[in-house]
Amino acid sequence: DIVLTQSPALAVSLGQRATISCRASQSVSISRYNLMHWYQQKPGQQPKLLIYRASNLASGIPARFSGSGSGTDFTLTINPVQADDIATYYCQQSRESPPTFGGGTKLELK
Amino acid sequence: EIQLQESGPGLVKPSQSLSLTCSVTGYTITSGYYWSWIRKFPGNKMEWMGYISNSGSTNYNPSLKIRISIARDTSKNQFFLQLNSVTTEDTATYYCTKSRDYYDGYSFDYWGQGVMVTVSS
Repeated sequence: DIVLTQSPALAVSLGQRATISCRASQSVSISRYNLMHWYQQKPGQQPKLLIYRASNLASGIPARFSGSGSGTDFTLTINPVQADDIATYYCQQSRESPPTFGGGTKLELK
Repeated sequence: EIQLQESGPGLVKPSQSLSLTCSVTGYTITSGYYWSWIRKFPGNKMEWMGYISNSGSTNYNPSLKIRISIARDTSKNQFFLQLNSVTTEDTATYYCTKSRDYYDGYSFDYWGQGVMVTVSS
């Protein structure tokens, strides 16, 4: 299975940029498709799809969220961070079955 | 609007079977997409368990293959999870999901609220 590694936590100030990283144990890209997705989960809620295929904003997601990367290294950026963005963020790959998730990065306020 | 809702017992005894139902509204599950079960363990690890496609084909995580079954009732627009021989390691919150893409069944744009299942005697 493809292993996705995320830092457990990131502290950020409101109004600043947050950069959350995800590294895959092998490439999750096929030609021009980067098969990495990002989710946000708040306590007591279900995960919400933010970004699909590395850089595409899901429906209804604010433009302060963006994604980038290819191969094995991917980044979710939130700029500027708002109070409502305090949550845990997960990356997930769909390059190979079974799809796998990173361990999550908890975004905290400084 | 598409909505998914899980239902089922919140407590299951070890060695018994876990059975959950996902009721889908706003979309007919035979019309398209892939319909998955995903679980989140205490401590945040998430695991994709398997899917049933709009045509009824299934695909399971090899780690669960001998214990899992996903089925559907098209008349009720529901799909089901059965996990056999559960242990305390199966304690988790279980989510049903819809795939974002017709062709890629492995990204998920709609999720149910989740149902917490505890395995304990």
